[in-house]
This record gives sequence, structure tokens and C-alpha cells, in this order.
Amino acid sequence: GNSVTQMEGPVTLSEEAFLTINCTYTATGYPSLFWYVQYPGEGLQLLLKATKADDKGSNKGFEATYRKETTSFHLEKGSVQVSDSAVYFCALTRYSSASKIIFGSGTRLSIRP
Amino acid sequence: DTEVTQTPKHLVMGMTNKKSLKCEQHMGHRAMYWYKQKAKKPPELMFVYSYEKLSINESVPSRFSPECPNSSLLNLHLHALQPEDSALYLCASSQDIRDRASYEQYFGPGTRLTVT
Repeated sequence: GNSVTQMEGPVTLSEEAFLTINCTYTATGYPSLFWYVQYPGEGLQLLLKATKADDKGSNKGFEATYRKETTSFHLEKGSVQVSDSAVYFCALTRYSSASKIIFGSGTRLSIRP
Repeated sequence: DTEVTQTPKHLVMGMTNKKSLKCEQHMGHRAMYWYKQKAKKPPELMFVYSYEKLSINESVPSRFSPECPNSSLLNLHLHALQPEDSALYLCASSQDIRDRASYEQYFGPGTRLTVT
């Protein structure tokens, strides 16, 4: 079946540290891949997306590259800020059922000043 | 305007009450969704409406009753809920569910529901 696996949290980093949150997926065909972010007390926001192999999604200093050979979509940021503290969800949709988002379990990120 | 609004922000209801959650978008999207999110978990899809018709019901108990009065509005009617239904209820919309290029979903801030 289709699934998304992301690293367990919580992840705690100091401000300006380098961030990586690992995400791997299992899916048939060519899924589209996403990172969503949920700030405390809020709904989900789409952070970035990639729709085909080798695409790089980027937004707000975050990046992720669609790697079909390793079925991965790791989230990276070069220098995190306290305001990046949130829960991050890796997700996929399949062409045949684009309305159904398959989410990973979420990774809580806390940034210390 | 890329905003999805939800009211109320918080709701406390007893197990015998009837209440409704409301969701609105003015992006011209033709697909709208209800999700349930428990603490420290990802959202779970409940319902999908496409062009104001129910497209997907993920085997949700009948005490949850969705309604899409027009293309901008989505309601979730609640009746005889259980304490385990306490959760964050998220609404989302997307341009269409039939066109892969327009599948991106925009989420509202959610209604935090407590059933006592």
C-alpha cells in the first residue's frame, strides 16, 4: 500500500542550526510529494511540494528534493529560527486519487533561542 | 485571497446537543474537505465534496452529517457525539479533484471541539 514514514520527534535544535527531517515513502507509480507545517493552535499550511523525480521544492528557506531512487523527500533548512517551531508533516498524493492525502506521522520541531 | 475560514474556533458541547461547524472559501474552489485531527496525529480524511456533491465518505459515523449548500460553504452537523469525538476539525478546499494539476489543498485554522 501507499505510506509515508518520517523521523520520530521531537527534534530540538538551537537557533541557526542546520535542520534535516527525514521522509521516505512507499507508493506505486509517480506520487506527488509535499511538506505541510502546522504551527501551534493553527491549521496546516502547505510548505513546499514536488510533482516529479528530481524536482526541488523550496519555500521560506526550506528545501526538499524528490528522490525516486531512494524514495525520499527529506526536508532541509540551513539556519533555523525560533519561529520555525511547529509540527512538520510529509505527505503524498497519487494521480489516481488526488483528493486523498497520505500523511506521515508528523515531526515536532522545537528551536531554542 | 487564499484563505479558508472556519467558525467557531472553539466549541464545547454535551452528548445530547446538536451543533454545526461552518467552513467558507472564496477562491472559486470546487472541492471541499472535512478532516478530523487528534492530538499529536496527522489529519484523517472524513468527507470530500466535489461540485457540491458528496464524493467520498470515509465510513464516518452518522452522528456526523456534512452539507454543502453552495460552492463556497461547507457545514458539518453534529448530533449525539461521544467524548472520543473531541478533536480539531479541519476544513480544506482545492480547485478540483478531477484535475491532477489543481489538487493542492488549502486548510482552514480548524475548530477545536470538546464533547463533555
